[in-house]
Amino acid sequence: DAKTTQPPSMDCAEGRAANLPCNHSTISGNEYVYWYRQIHSQGPQYIIHGLKNNETNEMASLIITEDRKSSTLILPHATLRDTAVYYCIAINNYGQNFVFGPGTRLSVLP
Amino acid sequence: GAVVSQHPSWVICKSGTSVKIECRSLDFQATTMFWYRQFPKQSLMLMATSNEGSKATYEQGVEKDKFLINHASLTLSTLTVTSAHPEDSSFYICSARGGGRNTIYFGEGSWLTVV
Repeated sequence: DAKTTQPPSMDCAEGRAANLPCNHSTISGNEYVYWYRQIHSQGPQYIIHGLKNNETNEMASLIITEDRKSSTLILPHATLRDTAVYYCIAINNYGQNFVFGPGTRLSVLP
Repeated sequence: GAVVSQHPSWVICKSGTSVKIECRSLDFQATTMFWYRQFPKQSLMLMATSNEGSKATYEQGVEKDKFLINHASLTLSTLTVTSAHPEDSSFYICSARGGGRNTIYFGEGSWLTVV
């Protein structure tokens, strides 16, 4: 199963767009790219997921490269409440055998 | 969005007793549920995967007789920590897969402290 790599930490100014990268160079054709975030002492919150097309919802946008080897999660206008650990995970259609890496700790600064 | 609820949010129990944690999908049917534990400053570690009506599949190193998982319906899974010891103290999180796009949603987590 695909393993993802993310930078351990990032800073972003409040009100600016936060762009979080993820590499998944060994992703399989049937694996979706999922993004979750975890705020301290809470369960992970679902943000967005996609297969190959770009996706957008009320929380974020997901940009997946044409070769599907990497993706970027975009929070268009970061707020202090977006400070969290963000996880990028490759999950197949059966929800099998996916693992959480260490994620990216995003700090939104005032 | 879809909601997965865990209960209790936190529990303190005496060493040697058993504790049950419930995980419910509130507005969708979950064909598959997952249980994780998370230690401070670490990522989530998958403990087991359960499908409704069948036995759970445990990850290597997770004792199935100690962590009993029951997935009796499409909206409820339970994790029972039997004969709990202080080293079982952790943050336990469930997730459920279902809904229109078969998305995986997580519960709020349950803090277990064994004294």
